[in-house]
Amino acid sequence: AQSVTQLGSHVSVSEGALVLLRCNYSSSVPPYLFWYVQYPNQGLQLLLKYTSAATLVKGINGFEAEFKKSETSFHLTKPSAHMSDAAEYFCAVTPTMKTSYDKVIFGPGTSLSVIP
Amino acid sequence: ETGVTQSPTHLIKTRGQQVTLRCSSQSGHNTVSWYQQALGQGPQFIFQYYREEENGRGNFPPRFSGLQFPNYSSELNVNALELDDSALYLCASSLSGSSYNSPLHFGNGTRLTVT
Repeated sequence: AQSVTQLGSHVSVSEGALVLLRCNYSSSVPPYLFWYVQYPNQGLQLLLKYTSAATLVKGINGFEAEFKKSETSFHLTKPSAHMSDAAEYFCAVTPTMKTSYDKVIFGPGTSLSVIP
Repeated sequence: ETGVTQSPTHLIKTRGQQVTLRCSSQSGHNTVSWYQQALGQGPQFIFQYYREEENGRGNFPPRFSGLQFPNYSSELNVNALELDDSALYLCASSLSGSSYNSPLHFGNGTRLTVT
């Protein structure tokens, strides 16, 4: 069964520094991949999704992620962190690419802190 | 476009009681999924409803049940509450069907505390 790991439950970066949040999936069968963000006391908001059209995916708020099949990874990056990026970030996958986008499995999340 | 709304926002119940949480899906969406998010963890899939029928269920006991109504709104019912049921319960809607494939759109959740 597909599963998701996110290395680092908590990441701290300085304002203006590179943000790198890691996500790896388990299956050799490529899935659809998503990043969601959760601000305090709110639900989850979709940042971006990989659906096989392009391996480098651009999302909202300046975030992007690259799908690397050989590494079974889908790491999230942003060139320059802003204070407003402080939130919880969740990587999510579907079991396969034959599964609809709304049947996702979430990773445990990474809490991002931005230091002024 | 109206987003996903959940009620109530907060709820405190006593162990053994029953609770009903409500969700209105985003306009144009026909599918509702429910997730449980314990403190410091990722959302765990409870079940999904499509066309008023359960369309997939996670590893939750039968005391977790749900309904979907003709207007696509939904309820989550939990019987015989346990302390471990304390969590944020998230509702998400999407558009499903042979010609559609949309990701989840989440509400802000209901914070349930069981004492």
